[in-house]
Amino acid sequence: ILNVEQSPQSLHVQEGDSTNFTCSFPSSNFYALHWYRWETAKSPEALFVMTLNGDEKKKGRISATLNTKEGYSYLYIKGSQPEDSATYLCAFRISGGYNKLIFGAGTRLAVHP
Amino acid sequence: DVKVTQSSRYLVKRTGEKVFLECVQDMDHENMFWYRQDPGLGLRLIYFSYDVKMKEKGDIPEGYSVSREKKERFSLILESASTNQTSMYLCATRTGEETQYFGPGTRLLVL
Repeated sequence: ILNVEQSPQSLHVQEGDSTNFTCSFPSSNFYALHWYRWETAKSPEALFVMTLNGDEKKKGRISATLNTKEGYSYLYIKGSQPEDSATYLCAFRISGGYNKLIFGAGTRLAVHP
Repeated sequence: DVKVTQSSRYLVKRTGEKVFLECVQDMDHENMFWYRQDPGLGLRLIYFSYDVKMKEKGDIPEGYSVSREKKERFSLILESASTNQTSMYLCATRTGEETQYFGPGTRLLVL
């Protein structure tokens, strides 16, 4: 059974803090790793899709890295703001998996003013 | 911008009722997906469709069926709703690109 683990499950930080969370996935048959942000009462929104080992992607204050050989990805938020409060989901796509994504349970981030 | 809409944000149904959840997209995407999300678990794939009238079972298809008569619409059907189908249901679409685009979700309560 393929499993995607995210840690921590939840996180409370103060405005201005930098933070990071982890997504662990199977290191074999890798095709792609997705990160989504899901704010309460909204649709999950794509942040990054990464396919190459060593990939680093950045969008404003948010960045992500990928290590396919050891099966992990980090998401970093620099200078957290209250509007960053959301659940961050990662999803793993296996090679030949017909675009089926396997999701982790998410990291719930709360940024306090 | 891609728009994915779901017919209801909240729905309350009784055990044994037949329930239809509708998803409509406006971007001519070939692939459409239905997921459910439960506390402490990741999104789990129920069914997906890669073309009109084509469907594939996901990881948890039991108790569900789907219909895709038109490209823009993908319906999830609970033939006889049960309390263990109380959940958040999310629809998503995808083109040839990798990214999936999600609807806002339907929170279903089965009493």
